[in-house]
Amino acid sequence: QSVLTQPPSPSGTPGQRVTISCSGSSSNIGSNTVNWYQQLPGTAPKLLIYTNNQRPSGVPDRFSGSKSGTSASLAISGLQSEDEADYYCATWDDSLNGWVFGGGTKLTVL
Amino acid sequence: EVQLLESGGGLVQPGGSLRLSCAASGFTFISYAMSWVRQAPGKGLEWVSGISGSGGSTYYADSVKGRFTISKDKSKNTLYLQMNSLRAEDTALYYCAKSSGSGVAGTFDYWGQGTLVTVSS
Repeated sequence: QSVLTQPPSPSGTPGQRVTISCSGSSSNIGSNTVNWYQQLPGTAPKLLIYTNNQRPSGVPDRFSGSKSGTSASLAISGLQSEDEADYYCATWDDSLNGWVFGGGTKLTVL
Repeated sequence: EVQLLESGGGLVQPGGSLRLSCAASGFTFISYAMSWVRQAPGKGLEWVSGISGSGGSTYYADSVKGRFTISKDKSKNTLYLQMNSLRAEDTALYYCAKSSGSGVAGTFDYWGQGTLVTVSS
């Protein structure tokens, strides 16, 4: 059971907007910033969003992040087939004194 | 260009030991914290351990505390994970990840390709 809770498997059609949520607690999301990682099939995770809503260079602005209280969200607009991947939220947990990840969300593009 | 190259994975019997290595290049190794993150087959990501840029502070997940030891050799720009008393549930692809700062709580901005550890008799 992951410390951070993500929905299992949303889907969308090309061009749609999808949102992936990440729910935590006061010791993790409530106290620290959230990062999002994209893992394409058979590859290593890649940083997608850092510090709640910042995009590394090279990440399209179709990807956006937000945080409110003990929850965070990743939004993908203008969905494309290459967005089909697993998405993970992550943050530092002050009680555990370590990083915690969400269980992952497998996004399917129909 | 930042590069992280893991090695040392393999098949080991329960109760055995293994040492993973992560050769780093393209950045000032002592200035950045590093972590190990694992992914069991078909499962999600799990943070295992982290070490500060200077190597003076180390952190472990409860699942590996007392069995795994993280270290870094600044002269070789290499991160290590010594894994003892291995269990079947330690079977996973182990990634090394670079933090964006000297503290372990910094964002993982670069990842290696992983090395596979299989614990089985």
